Amino acid sequence: KQEVTQIPAALSVPEGENLVLNCSFTDSAIYNLQWFRQDPGKGLTSLLLIQSSQREQTSGRLNASLDKSSGRSTLYIAASQPGDSATYLCAAGGNYGQNFVFGPGTRLSVLP
Amino acid sequence: DVKVTQSSRYLVKRTGEKVFLECVQDMDHENMFWYRQDPGLGLRLIYFSYDVKMKEKGDIPEGYSVSREKKERFSLILESASTNQTSMYLCASSPHAGGDYEQYFGPGTRLTVT
Repeated sequence: KQEVTQIPAALSVPEGENLVLNCSFTDSAIYNLQWFRQDPGKGLTSLLLIQSSQREQTSGRLNASLDKSSGRSTLYIAASQPGDSATYLCAAGGNYGQNFVFGPGTRLSVLP
Repeated sequence: DVKVTQSSRYLVKRTGEKVFLECVQDMDHENMFWYRQDPGLGLRLIYFSYDVKMKEKGDIPEGYSVSREKKERFSLILESASTNQTSMYLCASSPHAGGDYEQYFGPGTRLTVT
C-alpha cells in the first residue's frame, strides 16, 4: 500500500530565503505527483502537477522535481514571502485519477 | 477555471441526525471524491466515484454513504451522525484521463456534531 511522508513537519524561515520541502513515497509505480497549498480552514489549492514521465515543473517562484526511482519529490520555493505561509501537501496519484495518497503536510511560516 | 463547490462552509448537526453534504463540479469530470481531514490524521478518502451511479469505498467508508445521480453532483450522506464524525469534509474532482490529470478541491465543509 502506498505511503507518503513529508519532511519537515513544520518550518519557519525569514522572508527572502529559498527553501525546499520534501515528499517521499514508498511505491514508485505512480502516475503523477501533485503539490497543494492549504490555508487554515480552507480547501486545497493545486500548485504543480508532475506526470510520471516528467522530471520537474515550474510555476513562478515554485519548482517541483520528481525522482520516481528513489521515491522522492521536492518543492523548491524561491525568495519566500509572508504570503507563502500555509501548509503544503503532496499527493501521489494512481491510474485514471484514482488512488490519490496524501502526505501529512509541511506547515510553513515565513516571517517578515 | 475548474470550479468545485460545496453546499455549506459550516454545519452544526445533532447526534443521530441524517446529514447531506453536496458537491458540484462544472468541468465535466468523471471522477469525484470525498475526504475527511483531521488534525494528526491528514486527508483520508471516504468514497470516490468514477462515473454516474458508480462508487467505490475508500479507506474509511463506515458510517457514510454516497450518491451520484448526475455527473456533476456527488453527495455524501451521514446516515446517523455521531460526534466522531465532527471533521472537515473536502470534495474533489478529476478527469479520467490516464496520467494527465489534476485533482481539484472545493472549499470544504466544517461539520460539527453535538
